[in-house]
Amino acid sequence: AQKVTQAQTEISVVEKEDVTLDCVYETRDTTYYLFWYKQPPSGELVFLIRRNSFDEQNEISGRYSWNFQKSTSSFNFTITASQVVDSAVYFCALSEYGNKLVFGAGTILRVKS
Amino acid sequence: GAVVSQHPSWVICKSGTSVKIECRSLDFQATTMFWYRQFPKQSLMLMATSNEGSKATYEQGVEKDKFLINHASLTLSTLTVTSAHPEDSSFYICSARGGDRGLSSSYEQYFGPGTRLTVT
Repeated sequence: AQKVTQAQTEISVVEKEDVTLDCVYETRDTTYYLFWYKQPPSGELVFLIRRNSFDEQNEISGRYSWNFQKSTSSFNFTITASQVVDSAVYFCALSEYGNKLVFGAGTILRVKS
Repeated sequence: GAVVSQHPSWVICKSGTSVKIECRSLDFQATTMFWYRQFPKQSLMLMATSNEGSKATYEQGVEKDKFLINHASLTLSTLTVTSAHPEDSSFYICSARGGDRGLSSSYEQYFGPGTRLTVT
């Protein structure tokens, strides 16, 4: 069975600090996809990244970076120089062959000015 | 591209009435649509998966007679909450997946903006 664990329920940082959101997953399949979504107070899910299980290269997009390590079944997300606008709930999710998404519990990020 | 809309964005209804929520893929054909429910301060939980022209597949614990899903066309799926009660108050989010955009993106799910249902 698939499972996604986001152990950090809530994180508070001061603006300009770096912050890492942890994600650990479980799956029996060798082919799967991992995702990160941002959910601001408006509720709409904002897609951030998708990674397939065969691509372990880390990715950087502006202030965002992702570290995928199959050996530890982790897909961590780092925000560098955080900003108040980064305040939101962040979800890590897992999908096998494009089927249903299994979401983690989410991490509330609060960035204070 | 890949825009999914939901209507209405929010709705308040009285207990015992039925509410229909629409999910539309605006610029692609969605062979599969997913319906999720999110209670306050909780994660998204899949309710059901619907494929165009066939019956929806419901997740364990989701009452199919209460949450009617119809996926009559490649661009529209509807979720009807029948005889709604206050415990059905939640944020309902749909996502759509197309199968004709190439292998890498065919597994992509595009989310709608969500519908907030309040049952009084």
